[in-house]
Amino acid sequence: DIQMTQSPSSLSAFVGDRVTITCRASQTIKNYLNWYQQKPGKAPKLLIYAASTLHSGVPSRFSGSGSGTDFTLTISSLQPEDFATYYCQQSYSARAFGQGTRVDFK
Amino acid sequence: QVQLVQSGAEVKKPGASVRVSCKASGYTFTSYDINWVRQAAGRGLEWMGWMNPDSGDTGYVQNFQGRVTMTRDKSTSTAYMELSSLTSEDTAVYYCARSGFGSGSSSDCWGQGTLIIVSS
Repeated sequence: DIQMTQSPSSLSAFVGDRVTITCRASQTIKNYLNWYQQKPGKAPKLLIYAASTLHSGVPSRFSGSGSGTDFTLTISSLQPEDFATYYCQQSYSARAFGQGTRVDFK
Repeated sequence: QVQLVQSGAEVKKPGASVRVSCKASGYTFTSYDINWVRQAAGRGLEWMGWMNPDSGDTGYVQNFQGRVTMTRDKSTSTAYMELSSLTSEDTAVYYCARSGFGSGSSSDCWGQGTLIIVSS
């Protein structure tokens, strides 16, 4: 089974900061990598699919990159509504998620 | 609009089974897979498996093999997830989510979640 490892598990940041979250797969997954945002008590929302394609309606301050085994999610200028938990998910074989990265106020 | 609406919260005794429903609207039910994901309190997302509503084909995570069954009713555009032999470890919010077929797909629409509590 493909394992997904995110880092860091949590981070604290100010509004306006640039934030980067990384996700590593245990084997190559091409660009079959999705990113989701989840707020407390809510279902996850799709942010990015195919490693770097922004889902419809997602602000352009979110971006994704990577292929093979190493991927990143970047928020160029953190906004108050971006404080949430972020998950990567591989869709190469089955659909395993990373353990999540919680982004909160510094 | 595209929507997945799940059944309400349930409390079950250890050893019992639970069935969660997920009613699709706003799109052609048989054109997307339905995935099931669960999340225990304070924990991450755990993918349980998928079902093709057109063919009925399913794929389950090994951890749930033999305990989970995913089915559908095409006439009502409803997917079901049944989990048996419940333990307290199964207490979680269960989500359904649609995705495109095959590798490379993503889940762009999720149900609101169904809380299942397993307690004696």
